[in-house]
Amino acid sequence: AQSVAQPEDQVNVAEGNPLTVKCTYSVSGNPYLFWYVQYPNRGLQFLLKYITGDNLVKGSYGFEAEFNKSQTSFHLKKPSALVSDSALYFCAVRDMTGTYKYIFGTGTRLKVLA
Amino acid sequence: DVKVTQSSRYLVKRTGEKVFLECVQDMDHENMFWYRQDPGLGLRLIYFSYDVKMKEKGDIPEGYSVSREKKERFSLILESASTNQTSMYLCASSSKSAGNYGYTFGSGTRLTVV
Repeated sequence: AQSVAQPEDQVNVAEGNPLTVKCTYSVSGNPYLFWYVQYPNRGLQFLLKYITGDNLVKGSYGFEAEFNKSQTSFHLKKPSALVSDSALYFCAVRDMTGTYKYIFGTGTRLKVLA
Repeated sequence: DVKVTQSSRYLVKRTGEKVFLECVQDMDHENMFWYRQDPGLGLRLIYFSYDVKMKEKGDIPEGYSVSREKKERFSLILESASTNQTSMYLCASSSKSAGNYGYTFGSGTRLTVV
């Protein structure tokens, strides 16, 4: 079965420190992977995606993600966290069974401490 | 700026009421989706539609129905609202021809059933 796992419910990091939000996936074939961010009482906003090409993908607000096929991971990273990065982050993978659906992880709450 | 618009940000309804949640997109997207979001459970797919007058059940369709009479509008209907349907509801759309670009989400409707 296709799935996405975000093993951490919450990640705390000090402002200025690097951050990592973890995501692993299980799909058949080559995955199409996404990260979204959600601020309080808002919808999800697109951050970045991996379809093909370079394993390091750069996205909005200074975020990047590293695709690792052997470890089936797509971890979100940022070199220097800001308090304003505090939000809920979702990893998603496209369903590869011929539908247009995306499968989401359960989300990781990032808290950046001043 | 392209967008997905959900008609209400906050809604309070009584148990047993019939509730309509409206979603409109201006991107000429074929695909539209309704999710509910609950803490610890992530996003769960309720219903989706790939075309006008077409609908398919997602993972948790019980207690819900949908209507898609026009391409731009996808309505979620709670036939008889119950307290366990208190949740954040998210509408999303995507293009069939650009399916690798992920979803565009609305801002969400926080529904409270009392």
